[in-house]
Amino acid sequence: QVTLKESGPVLVKPTETLTLTCSVSGFSLTNTRLGVAWIRQPPGKALEWLALIFSHDEKSYSASLRSRLTISRDTSRSQVVLTMTNVDPVDTATYFCARTHISPPGTFDYWGQGALVTVSS
Amino acid sequence: DIQMTQSPSSLSASVGDRVTITCRASQPIGTYLNWYQQKLGRAPKLLIYAASSLKSDVPPRFSGSGSGTDFTLTIDSLQPEDFATYYCQQSFSAPPMYTFGQGTKLEIK
Repeated sequence: QVTLKESGPVLVKPTETLTLTCSVSGFSLTNTRLGVAWIRQPPGKALEWLALIFSHDEKSYSASLRSRLTISRDTSRSQVVLTMTNVDPVDTATYFCARTHISPPGTFDYWGQGALVTVSS
Repeated sequence: DIQMTQSPSSLSASVGDRVTITCRASQPIGTYLNWYQQKLGRAPKLLIYAASSLKSDVPPRFSGSGSGTDFTLTIDSLQPEDFATYYCQQSFSAPPMYTFGQGTKLEIK
């Protein structure tokens, strides 16, 4: 049974760094055909893809957020971590992690429940 | 970035109706198009991948079609559990730069 679960702070102050963790089970982060992506959704708005990482450590980032994002993985803990620097109130959103595939690419077939992060002083 | 535009933004329909949602890409994307269903307060669920392939646990009343820039999601015989927001997403970009449509909210008439 594939599961993903996001964890992290509920409230972050502007200019701080946000660190989110995705804990996975039911598949391995060393599987060469699988990866994990982060996607966010501001309240009442659409989904926005942020970043992804594959087992061979291939990483990709949203062009608009590339300078602020870092994605990494800890295979021993079955976790994928996303850090976002210099957060702003516009970064308030529910952050989802999702499993993705080498092929077909960019298909998110399992999702975590999401973690709501509020950026406010 | 490839822009994805869905229409309509919202739609009212009745149980048993057949509905169609359209998604247009700002440039050709082959069949690198996925559809998701999201209910309020829940994570999205994959329905259709590669434009027309039905995920194994999704009811066959859902279908997808299209290629290039124009795509459709069709739901035959709407069921009460189908009222939700639907998103298209392109997975054509390489290196990955995936984008979603703005969503179509399907409401009960």
